[in-house]
Amino acid sequence: KQEVTQIPAALSVPEGENLVLNCSFTDSAIYNLQWFRQDPGKGLTSLLLIQSSQREQTSGRLNASLDKSSGRSTLYIAASQPGDSATYLCAVRSNTDKLIFGTGTRLQVFP
Amino acid sequence: EPEVTQTPSHQVTQMGQEVILRCVPISNHLYFYWYRQILGQKVEFLVSFYNNEISEKSEIFDDQFSVERPDGSNFTLKIRSTKLEDSAMYFCASSEALNSPLEQYFGPGTRLTVT
Repeated sequence: KQEVTQIPAALSVPEGENLVLNCSFTDSAIYNLQWFRQDPGKGLTSLLLIQSSQREQTSGRLNASLDKSSGRSTLYIAASQPGDSATYLCAVRSNTDKLIFGTGTRLQVFP
Repeated sequence: EPEVTQTPSHQVTQMGQEVILRCVPISNHLYFYWYRQILGQKVEFLVSFYNNEISEKSEIFDDQFSVERPDGSNFTLKIRSTKLEDSAMYFCASSEALNSPLEQYFGPGTRLTVT
């Protein structure tokens, strides 16, 4: 059974720092992996999707990498800003329809 | 930019009542999903729907739950007789095609409170 874990659970950093959020999964037979952002009480905004054949994806200040064989993905946020404060979720899709989510990393960036 | 919409944003109901949560997926998408998130817990998959039938469901999705695409735009989740433990945020999602790399796009959610 696929399990997805994210560390750290919470992170508080000053503005301008570069950050790494970690996601690990137990079954390496995944189809793709998505990173989401969730603001308090709100929906999920898709940030990046990495297919199983890819090693990384970039969007603006965000870069996500995937090491399928070791069951790991990282989300790198460059030059963090207070507006980046949110919970970041990773989710993996195996060979079925569903996404399996991690517990998230709650990020606070203070000015 | 196209987006998934959900109504209502918040629904309060009494235990034992039926509720219908509504979603309008992105218009050219073919696959539809419901997930839920109990406060403080992980987002959990409930059901996926394609070509007017359920393609996968989780063990949470028991006989109290049903889904329907009543017309060309809406996708609904019905809970027949709500329980206290059904209180959660319910998210609808859609994707363009199952066997493509495209993402699942999520709506803003409906917060269901069962009293």
